[in-house]
Amino acid sequence: GENVEQHPSTLSVQEGDSAVIKCTYSDSASNYFPWYKQELGKRPQLIIDIRSNVGEKKDQRIAVTLNKTAKHFSLHITETQPEDSAVYFCAASDAGGADGLTFGKGTHLIIQP
Amino acid sequence: NAGVTQTPKFQVLKTGQSMTLQCAQDMNHEYMSWYRQDPGMGLRLIHYSVGAGITDQGEVPNGYNVSRSTTEDFPLRLLSAAPSQTSVYFCASSQNRLGGELFFGEGSRLTVL
Repeated sequence: GENVEQHPSTLSVQEGDSAVIKCTYSDSASNYFPWYKQELGKRPQLIIDIRSNVGEKKDQRIAVTLNKTAKHFSLHITETQPEDSAVYFCAASDAGGADGLTFGKGTHLIIQP
Repeated sequence: NAGVTQTPKFQVLKTGQSMTLQCAQDMNHEYMSWYRQDPGMGLRLIHYSVGAGITDQGEVPNGYNVSRSTTEDFPLRLLSAAPSQTSVYFCASSQNRLGGELFFGEGSRLTVL
């Protein structure tokens, strides 16, 4: 089955700086890669996703890049703000997510004022 | 529009007891799933369903049963609770088999003593 590794487990950045979270996956058949944000005590919510026919996708301050050859994808957050503090999960699936996403273990992003 | 509703939000059980976590969605989504979240482990798939009458196992199905008699409901049954099942459980749904955004419920925190 799919295995998703996520790094780092904790990331502390100064407000206004950029943050990068990286994930690798094992199954070359995977073709859907979403990122979820979970604030403390809340449910995970989708913030951005990318499919394998696209190398990069951007939505305002967040972007995701995908390298299928190397089997890794990354989340980039620019101009970080206090509300970006949360746990971020990457995930991968070979059926658009419908047969179940395999999640990474999460990155706790801390924005220092 | 309530989205995905889980009950109960909190539950304490004794080892060996059984219980059912309820999940209902009002978005007419075909796909529903159950995840458990443990510290440092991310979200792990327990069971999923791609439509009424169809269920399948995920990564960690042992000790859990599910059924899908209607499109709206997807209950998770713990047959004989064990301390290892202490966790936060999330139900999620998405529109169809081709996936896309998973909509999560608020979570159910279960403690097994």
